[in-house]
Amino acid sequence: DAKTTQPTSMDCAEGRAANLPCNHSTISGNEYVYWYRQIHSQGPQYIIHGLKNNETNEMASLIITEDRKSSTLILPHATLRDTAVYYCIVLGPNGQNFVFGPGTRLSVLP
Amino acid sequence: NAGVMQNPRHLVRRRGQEARLRCSPMKGHSHVYWYRQLPEEGLKFMVYLQKENIIDESGMPKERFSAEFPKEGPSILRIQQVVRGDSAAYFCASSPPGLAYEQYFGPGTRLTVT
Repeated sequence: DAKTTQPTSMDCAEGRAANLPCNHSTISGNEYVYWYRQIHSQGPQYIIHGLKNNETNEMASLIITEDRKSSTLILPHATLRDTAVYYCIVLGPNGQNFVFGPGTRLSVLP
Repeated sequence: NAGVMQNPRHLVRRRGQEARLRCSPMKGHSHVYWYRQLPEEGLKFMVYLQKENIIDESGMPKERFSAEFPKEGPSILRIQQVVRGDSAAYFCASSPPGLAYEQYFGPGTRLTVT
């Protein structure tokens, strides 16, 4: 079973920031938080990952709460091409496979 | 650097036939993972392989499914005597040695059993 819970779906207006929450209240101290997305049944695409500090790359920002029990993926300026299912996953450094939950279906609206 | 390659992209088999799905990992990656995605569901882990070794097959059905990753050539996921319930998208991912959390996914093979 997935160790994370996410909203089933969200809408976001094009050009606005998309904030996707994830709860991982049972996360262990050495487990990372990963975000992947899947666009229209393509293979999942890596977005970002973090341990406890906030992270930013060219695609998104990841905000992890101080107690690490939840996090938020931020797409700063959502475009129509960001419409996808977004998966939040936790995995330790010795983990061997990702456990995907149902994810959040983000719809970016024009 | 080519990404993870899977072929065929689409495969149609009649019930009872065999399906062979191939996965070529990214250059320099020696770890391969297979996942299955049923319609409208998330990906489910099936098996994790290194060259010539099965490391974790806890997600593989007990019968009809097998996987290999030979010293030379692609990884193969083999499904014998397919049934309609095997219809799904099968994704392969690869990672560098020792970095299982850095998985790169292929485009998938969509298997349809008629």
